[in-house]
This record gives sequence, structure tokens and C-alpha cells, in this order.
Amino acid sequence: DIQMTQSPSSVSASVGDRVTITCRASQGVSSWLAWYQQRPGEAPKLLISSAFNLQSGVPSRFSGTGSGTDFALTISSLQPEDFATYFCQQADSFPITFGHGTRLE
Amino acid sequence: QVTLRESGPALVKPTQTLTLTCTFSGFSLKTSGMCVSWIRQPPGKALEWLALIDWDEEEYYSTSLKTRLTISKDTSKNQVVLTMTNVDPVDTGTYFCARTASGSAQFDHWGRGVLVTVSA
Repeated sequence: DIQMTQSPSSVSASVGDRVTITCRASQGVSSWLAWYQQRPGEAPKLLISSAFNLQSGVPSRFSGTGSGTDFALTISSLQPEDFATYFCQQADSFPITFGHGTRLE
Repeated sequence: QVTLRESGPALVKPTQTLTLTCTFSGFSLKTSGMCVSWIRQPPGKALEWLALIDWDEEEYYSTSLKTRLTISKDTSKNQVVLTMTNVDPVDTGTYFCARTASGSAQFDHWGRGVLVTVSA
């Protein structure tokens, strides 16, 4: 199975800050990498697919980069609604695997 | 409008079989590229992918759980069913179903989830 390692596991930040979360795959996944946001008590929401494709309706302050084994999610200027947990997920091969999450607080 | 809704028991006893149903609308599992997965999340923990069934009835399973899981679909009812045998308290968590389109295995629509507790 492909292991997905996210860092940091948690990050403290303030409104207006720029935050970057990284995700490393144990083997190459090409660009088959998705990022999700999950607020407490809610289902995850797809933010970015295929490493850098911003989903419709997702603010442009979110961006994704990377390919192969190293990926990053950047929030350019944190808004109050962005304080949540973020997960990466590889979609290159089965079994599908998720990172352990980064809590933004 | 794509929607998914999970249903199933809130409480299950250890060693029993858990059956969960995902009822969806706004798309067809007969359409090429469409897939439905089950994903779970223990309280306060990470997401864990469990199983996926695609438009061509191909099935894929978690390595660690594949001996206990069966995923199936009823296209006429727009439902996907997951069964998990021999449940244990560690199987407690929220179970989500989610859709992927274009066969990319990236989940663009999710249900709200159903909380399942395994306890005697």
C-alpha cells in the first residue's frame, strides 16, 4: 500500500497568514493527488484534484502543487472559515490511501 | 444535483455483521467512469478508505479489511451496499459513502455519514 505522510500534524495560525501543508507519498503517484477540507461534524469537501485543479466554488486562495511523491497545499491568506482539518489522498492505485490529516487551529 | 445518503444501524454488537446502504441521486452507476466508495473515520481520527465499486461492477477493497468486506450495487434502486462481517469495537466510527466521476478515484461528492458504534 502507498503510505501518505502529511506534515505538520497541526499548525497554529492567524487570519491573514499564509500556510503550507505538505504531503509525501511512499512511492510516485504521478499527479493523482487530492486535497480535502473537513470541518467538525461535517463530511470532507474536495478542494483540489489531480494535484493542482481547484474545484468549482473553492476560493482562489487555495492552491496545490507537486507531482510524483511530494505535494503541497497552500492557503495564501487564511480566513476564519479555513480553520479545519485537511487531508491528502492518493488516487493513483488501489488501495486508495489518505494522509493522517493536518489540523489548522 | 448529486446527493448521497448513508443509512444503517447506529449500534451493532461485536461479532455481528454490519450492513450499510448508500442511496444516491443525480447520477447513474451505469455511466462510464462513475464509482461509489465507502470511507470511515473513527472518532477524532483520520479517514480510512474501505471499498469501491465502479460502473463496470469491478470491486476494490482495503488490504487490511478485504476478508471482511463486500460491496455491491443495485443500479435500479440507485444504491450501494457495504457489508462488514465480524465487527469489533475498533470498527466504531462514522461511515461515509462518496462518489468519484471520470474514474479518477477522487471523491467529489460525499454523504453526511452515519455513526456506527460497536458495543456489547
